Amino acid sequence: SQQGEEDPQALSIQEGENATMNCSYKTSINNLQWYRQNSGRGLVHLILIRSNEREKHSGRLRVTLDTSKKSSSLLITASRAADTASYFCATGLSGGNQFYFGTGTSLTVIP
Amino acid sequence: DAGVIQSPRHEVTEMGQEVTLRCKPISGHNSLFWYRQTMMRGLELLIYFNNNVPIDDSGMPEDRFSAKMPNASFSTLKIQPSEPRDSAVYFCASSKYTQGATDTQYFGPGTRLTVL
Repeated sequence: SQQGEEDPQALSIQEGENATMNCSYKTSINNLQWYRQNSGRGLVHLILIRSNEREKHSGRLRVTLDTSKKSSSLLITASRAADTASYFCATGLSGGNQFYFGTGTSLTVIP
Repeated sequence: DAGVIQSPRHEVTEMGQEVTLRCKPISGHNSLFWYRQTMMRGLELLIYFNNNVPIDDSGMPEDRFSAKMPNASFSTLKIQPSEPRDSAVYFCASSKYTQGATDTQYFGPGTRLTVL
């Protein structure tokens, strides 16, 4: 399967703490994206990192990409209760237009 | 911008009935994707279109599923006959560009399908 796998499957932290989620994938990619899904809603794009980039920031989000290890991590700093959601990585393969979504990490931020 | 619009939001039907899910992509977007999400299998790509043309339907589970995109502003996903194992949330997504997997996908709110 080309699907990425997130780790951990579930994460529970206190508000204000940092949350780190990891994504591993199997094939060479063009880019990797992270999406958030609130309960009962569609997915919302968070950030895209290209294969030639190693780190990217957006507000409280920090994404790293290690193509040699075929892995990425998403760090959410100073977490808030509103960050409670499922987070998915999606890998975009070279030459294609579709993404392959991972299995997701369910994050719970306790107020 | 209204975003991706899906209808209905919820559908409950009986086994054997035909189900039609509808999607309106964001205006100006040239790619459209249908996904299915279940607890067991996660988020699966069923089919995607570029410029209204189906490009990859390898994710369509079987012949009971069919998808059409008659124009740039409308797509349907049809299940006939429906079965209880088709129960899932079906998402439609669109993206602006058709070349290269470098584009953000914008998701609709989904249709929650329950087949009794």
